[in-house]
Amino acid sequence: RKEVEQDPGPFNVPEGATVAFNCTYSNSASQSFFWYRQDCRKEPKLLMSVYSSGNEDGRFTAQLNRASQYISLLIRDSKLSDSATYLCVVNLQTGANNLFFGTGTRLTVIP
Amino acid sequence: GAGVSQSPSNKVTEKGKDVELRCDPISGHTALYWYRQSLGQGLEFLIYFQGNSAPDKSGLPSDRFSAERTGGSVSTLTIQRTQQEDSAVYLCASSLGRQPNYGYTFGSGTRLTVV
Repeated sequence: RKEVEQDPGPFNVPEGATVAFNCTYSNSASQSFFWYRQDCRKEPKLLMSVYSSGNEDGRFTAQLNRASQYISLLIRDSKLSDSATYLCVVNLQTGANNLFFGTGTRLTVIP
Repeated sequence: GAGVSQSPSNKVTEKGKDVELRCDPISGHTALYWYRQSLGQGLEFLIYFQGNSAPDKSGLPSDRFSAERTGGSVSTLTIQRTQQEDSAVYLCASSLGRQPNYGYTFGSGTRLTVV
C-alpha cells in the first residue's frame, strides 16, 4: 500500500468554481502535512502546510482529519492560473527520509 | 544563492555513458535530497544527505547510482553506464533541517534523456 494516495484526476472545472481534493495517508504516526503545486515541466513548489486546526491562505483552505487519516485542499473561485498538479505530502519524521509525496491530482481550470 | 540550483538543466547521453548531475542547495540548508520523476509519475526518493553524510541511500535503484556531498553544500549524483530506463527528471531539494514543519525547496531539475 502506498504511503500517500490521491485521486489522479483530471479535474476540469470552470473559472470561478470551487474544487476540493482529498488525499489519504497510511501511517498514523505521520507528523506533518503539506500541499505542493507542480506546473507542467516545472519543479514542485510548496503551496501550504496543513495544520491540525485547519488553515486558510486566501482562496485555499487545507484541512486535516487525523482520525480518518486524510487531508483535503479546497480552492475557491478558481482561476486559470490555478491549473496545475497538486501533490499531497506527508512527513513521517521517523526515519532519515521522511517526506512522502503523492502522485498528484491534475487540475485544469477552463475559461 | 537564493534558490536551489541544478545543472545541467538538460542532458542527452548515449546508453552506456556516465553522467554527473549537480545540485547547489540554498545556503545554510543542511538537509539535501535527490528525487527523480519519470513522465507522468510521482516523485521517487533516491538519497538524503544531512551535512556530508548520507543516512538514507535506500532509494538508489542500483549500484550504478551514487551521490556525494562535499563541504555540506554542493552535491553530485553520478549515474554510471546509463540505461534508457534512467531517463527522467532528477530533482534536488534542500531544507533547513528535519523539523516537522519544514517543507522542501526544489531546484528546477535536470532532464536526463538516454538514447
